[in-house]
Amino acid sequence: AQSVTQLGSHVSVSEGALVLLRCNYSSSVPPYLFWYVQYPNQGLQLLLKYTTGATLVKGINGFEAEFKKSETSFHLTKPSAHMSDAAEYFCAVSGAGDKIIFGKGTRLHILP
Amino acid sequence: DAGVIQSPRHEVTEMGQEVTLRCKPISGHNSLFWYRQTMMRGLELLIYFNNNVPIDDSGMPEDRFSAKMPNASFSTLKIQPSEPRDSAVYFCASSSDRGSTDTQYFGPGTRLTVL
Repeated sequence: AQSVTQLGSHVSVSEGALVLLRCNYSSSVPPYLFWYVQYPNQGLQLLLKYTTGATLVKGINGFEAEFKKSETSFHLTKPSAHMSDAAEYFCAVSGAGDKIIFGKGTRLHILP
Repeated sequence: DAGVIQSPRHEVTEMGQEVTLRCKPISGHNSLFWYRQTMMRGLELLIYFNNNVPIDDSGMPEDRFSAKMPNASFSTLKIQPSEPRDSAVYFCASSSDRGSTDTQYFGPGTRLTVL
């Protein structure tokens, strides 16, 4: 069985500052890991995903995440926040043949 | 590609009424998922289909909820009778696989309000 924990339901950063959204997972099998973003009044869309191979994954809009097995983490980062990054971000985990389990979400606020 | 299409976008109904939500997945995708999103409970998977067959309905709250997928291009989620606690945003998503590694593509959602 898999589970995912997102630390912080709300995160605020200043425009231009580093964005760091934390995600820890639990999985009894090699995990597949995802970050999705939800803009207001829209459905979720994939930012990036890790399946196998390189542990540093680059996604859209300048985001990246690093799979750290020893820490069971998959934190999302972006070097410089833009106002357009304000949204809710969901970390998710699955295993081979298993359904995806989503975290509770972290709402990112960008301060001018 | 038109993406996942959901209708209606908004639905307001009174307690006790039947509600039917509709979804058209992306052409060629063989997995379809229904989710419910609320402030209190976050995003919950209700049911998912693979090749039109329900695979896991363990997330369906109770017998008032039912879902069908009569063909590869259409699915419905029905609530009968509806209750105020069913108020939420309901999302449909599709993927080209069961979703273990493949991207799920979400529709814009149906915002349901039960008075």
